[in-house]
Amino acid sequence: EVQLVESGGVVVQPGGSLRLSCAASGFTFDDYAMHWVRQAPGKGLEWVSLISWDGGSTYYADSVKGRFTISRDNSKNSLYLQMNSLRAEDTALYYCAKDIKAAAGTFDYWGQGTLVTVSS
Amino acid sequence: DIQMTQSPSSLSASVGDRVTITCQASQDISNYLNWYQQKPGKAPKLLIYDASNLETGVPSRFSGSGSGTDFTFTISSLQPEDIATYYCQQYDNLLITFGQGTRLEIK
Repeated sequence: EVQLVESGGVVVQPGGSLRLSCAASGFTFDDYAMHWVRQAPGKGLEWVSLISWDGGSTYYADSVKGRFTISRDNSKNSLYLQMNSLRAEDTALYYCAKDIKAAAGTFDYWGQGTLVTVSS
Repeated sequence: DIQMTQSPSSLSASVGDRVTITCQASQDISNYLNWYQQKPGKAPKLLIYDASNLETGVPSRFSGSGSGTDFTFTISSLQPEDIATYYCQQYDNLLITFGQGTRLEIK
C-alpha cells in the first residue's frame, strides 16, 4: 500500500525558514517524480514544486521560485521542501504527492498534508 | 503560465442528474489535463488522467473529454457520495496549474 506521510509543519514568523519532509513507502520511490502541492485555508489547490525521479530536474511555481528548494533522498525514501523567506501568503496545508511516472505531472497518490502557518 | 478557467464555481444538482463541469486552458495543452475530486478534510483523489482516461477503481459514471483548450468532466448520474469539490489540472511542459475548483452540492 502506497503511503505518504508529511511532517514539519509549524507556526513560523514572517521571514523565517522551515523544512518539510515526506516519508514514502509501498512503492519504488526512485522510479517516480514527486511533487509538493499546497492549499491555503478555504482555497483551491496550488502546485508548488516538482522533482524528477533522480533529483536531476526541479521545477517551481513562480510564487515560490528563489525561496523554496525541493530535494529528495532516494536512499531514505524521503522528499523535502526547504522554505525560506516565508510570507503570510505561504500559509497553507502542504501535500506531498506521487507522480504516475518518472516526470509527468499527474498525481496518483497524496499524503494527508502538514499545516504551515506564517504569522507573527 | 497557462491559466485554467473552470466553470461553474459551484453547482447544485439532484441525485440522478447528469452533471457537467468545463475547463478552458489559455493555450493549447493537447490532452495534458487531469480531474481530481476533493472531499472536505481529505486529500484530492485522481479521477481522470490525460483528459479521458478513467483511473483504476473510479466508478464509470465519471468521464472526461476534450483536447487542445476545451475540456469537459461529466458525472452521468449523480450519487450522494459525489458531493465534493472538483478540480481540473494541466501539466503541459511540467509547469502545473489547477483550475479554481467546482463545489458540487446536492439540491
